[in-house]
Amino acid sequence: GAGVSQSPSNKVTEKGKDVELRCDPISGHTALYWYRQSLGQGLEFLIYFQGNSAPDKSGLPSDRFSAERTGGSVSTLTIQRTQQEDSAVYLCASRGGANTEAFFGQGTRLTVV
Amino acid sequence: GNSVTQMEGPVTLSEEAFLTINCTYTATGYPSLFWYVQYPGEGLQLLLKATKADDKGSNKGFEATYRKETTSFHLEKGSVQVSDSAVYFCALRNAGNMLTFGGGTRLMVKP
Repeated sequence: GAGVSQSPSNKVTEKGKDVELRCDPISGHTALYWYRQSLGQGLEFLIYFQGNSAPDKSGLPSDRFSAERTGGSVSTLTIQRTQQEDSAVYLCASRGGANTEAFFGQGTRLTVV
Repeated sequence: GNSVTQMEGPVTLSEEAFLTINCTYTATGYPSLFWYVQYPGEGLQLLLKATKADDKGSNKGFEATYRKETTSFHLEKGSVQVSDSAVYFCALRNAGNMLTFGGGTRLMVKP
C-alpha cells in the first residue's frame, strides 16, 4: 500500500483477554518498529525487526508481550492477559534502506476495561 | 546506551513568536538526528533530519542544526503559526538502526 497500515484502528477489550495488533509496512521496507504511546507521554520503544528477525526485543514490557514478523512483511504484536496499564496507542513504523526515514502508521488505540 | 532529552512542555506562544525546542542526545558513534511532528488526531510524520555533524535540516520554516560538540539538535522557527500547534519529537537513529525518541514537547500557538 501507499503507507504503513495498522489494524484495528481502535480496540476495546476486557481485562484478561488476549489481543493481536497488526502492522502492514510499506512494501519493500525491511525495518519495522513497534512503539507504545501512553496518553500524554512520549514514545516507548517495544521491538525492532530487520527482515524477520528481531535484533532488539529489549523494550517489550513483560512476557505477556510478543511480536512476530513473517515473510519480511506483516507484523503482529500480541498482548496476552491484557491489563489496564496496557491501554495506549500502539504505533508501527517501517523503513527502507540506509539513510531513509521511518514512516509511521496511524496507530491502534487499545483500551482495556 | 542511546537517549534523547527534550524540553518538557507545554510550550505556549503567541502567533509570530520565535520558537526554540531544545533537544540533546547521548549516543555512541555518529547517529542521524530527526524531528518528527504529531498534529492533533494524526500520526507521526517526519519534519526534518540531519545525518552528519554541522548539517542543517529544514522544512516548513523549521530548522535544526546537528551540533556534535554540544550533542544537540535544537528545533527553531522564526515565526510560528496557529497551525504549528502539535507535539514535536526529537529522535536519533544509530548505526544499528535503532530509533530512539525523546519524550515529546507539546506546542500551543495562540492567535
